[in-house]
Amino acid sequence: EPEVTQTPSHQVTQMGQEVILRCVPISNHLYFYWYRQILGQKVEFLVSFYNNEISEKSEIFDDQFSVERPDGSNFTLKIRSTKLEDSAMYFCASKTASSYNSPLHFGNGTRLTVT
Amino acid sequence: DQQVKQNSPSLSVQEGRISILNCDYTNSMFDYFLWYKKYPAEGPTFLISISSIKDKNEDGRFTVFLNKSAKHLSLHIVPSQPGDSAVYFCAASSGSNFGNEKLTFGTGTRLTIIP
Repeated sequence: EPEVTQTPSHQVTQMGQEVILRCVPISNHLYFYWYRQILGQKVEFLVSFYNNEISEKSEIFDDQFSVERPDGSNFTLKIRSTKLEDSAMYFCASKTASSYNSPLHFGNGTRLTVT
Repeated sequence: DQQVKQNSPSLSVQEGRISILNCDYTNSMFDYFLWYKKYPAEGPTFLISISSIKDKNEDGRFTVFLNKSAKHLSLHIVPSQPGDSAVYFCAASSGSNFGNEKLTFGTGTRLTIIP
């Protein structure tokens, strides 16, 4: 079964550094998402992306965050200057456009640790 | 802002019996509801969904019930199997966000199936 793949599985970075989290969505999917889960908290929506632009973003997704689909397969989340509170599991997700009621498919996540 | 609540953080059920996981929501604009299962170190895996035009949806051992007047949904797993031990998340979205599918998640219920 096709799946969403994320790399790396674990990223450790120092505060203030830039990180790029990478995702390869399922190939025929057209809608892409980033979610995150801080340890012990809910899974939270960050951003949705369709047709090469952001469709919606949460208040968490401030100017430090950006997303890009640099080619036909990758979908990246960049955090420009990481803060301690950015430490979390970051999940990429994608969905097909075949119907409204089609579920999001999630990757296994990247654990980001900011020291 | 707890728009989706799962009031039971954990649940233990004997193998072969029925597991019932509950979820309440407050936002009356939600019209699509999903259940995801999550194992440690993996992303959420889609289980089953229900649209607000239905009150029940069944898929094998999994049945989701929706009570719109009570703003309550439940997931029934029968019979429960050891492989069902995981964290279960309830999620909801609004049709006004078609394609954007900003999912709002509950905090999860850890289900343990006792052999």
